Amino acid sequence: QVQLVQSGAEVKSPGASVKVSCKASGYILRSYSMNWVRLAPGQGPEWMGWINAYNANTNYAQKLQGRVTMTIDTSTSTVYMELRSLRSDDTAAYYCARGGHYDSSGYYHVGAFDIWGQGTVVTVSS
Amino acid sequence: EIVLTQSPGTLSLSPGERATLSCRASQSVSSTYLAWYQQKRGQAPRLLIYGASSRATGIPDRFSGSGSGTDFTLTISRLEPEDFAVYYCQQYGSSPYTFGQGTKLEIK
Repeated sequence: QVQLVQSGAEVKSPGASVKVSCKASGYILRSYSMNWVRLAPGQGPEWMGWINAYNANTNYAQKLQGRVTMTIDTSTSTVYMELRSLRSDDTAAYYCARGGHYDSSGYYHVGAFDIWGQGTVVTVSS
Repeated sequence: EIVLTQSPGTLSLSPGERATLSCRASQSVSSTYLAWYQQKRGQAPRLLIYGASSRATGIPDRFSGSGSGTDFTLTISRLEPEDFAVYYCQQYGSSPYTFGQGTKLEIK
């Protein structure tokens, strides 16, 4: 079945970096974009950006520009999100979520986030 | 950036009752790109509604979405015990994609 499986929980010190993985199975990774969303305690979800799995183009939320990088390894069907210069307010559950897709004609369709990973809790604490 | 404001923040109802959740946008959102998600404690969000009114795969027909422009509504016709959760609206037509702050649906 279609699923996204993320890496395990992380505890980091302020100023460190974290890299979260998201392994896709059950569908053709290159046909879809992958989004990253985080949920901090007591707050609404925050979209972090997406990566186009077909050509590896990215679109990051302006708030995170310069600190976030999303990459893809098509050989293992895995997408990665790295966040640098961690602060205490980066403490959150991080999710990958499948988004829009290419059809057989090569046309890209924007889509809602229909498949989500199980989440990775990142705790930033000294 | 399109800001989505959900109301109420908390909704207290009993099983069998009807729930109406609101999502208001700071500027017009194409109906094609408005979604609703449900999140239960300790779980990832689950897509309920996309395109403002289309139910996602496997979603019961007691869930329905409506609205256009800046005002959207999620209706749960008859609440089941498993429906008590947090609900988020999202627009995914204009970057940055944004979510509302959520409505917590709790048992009265």
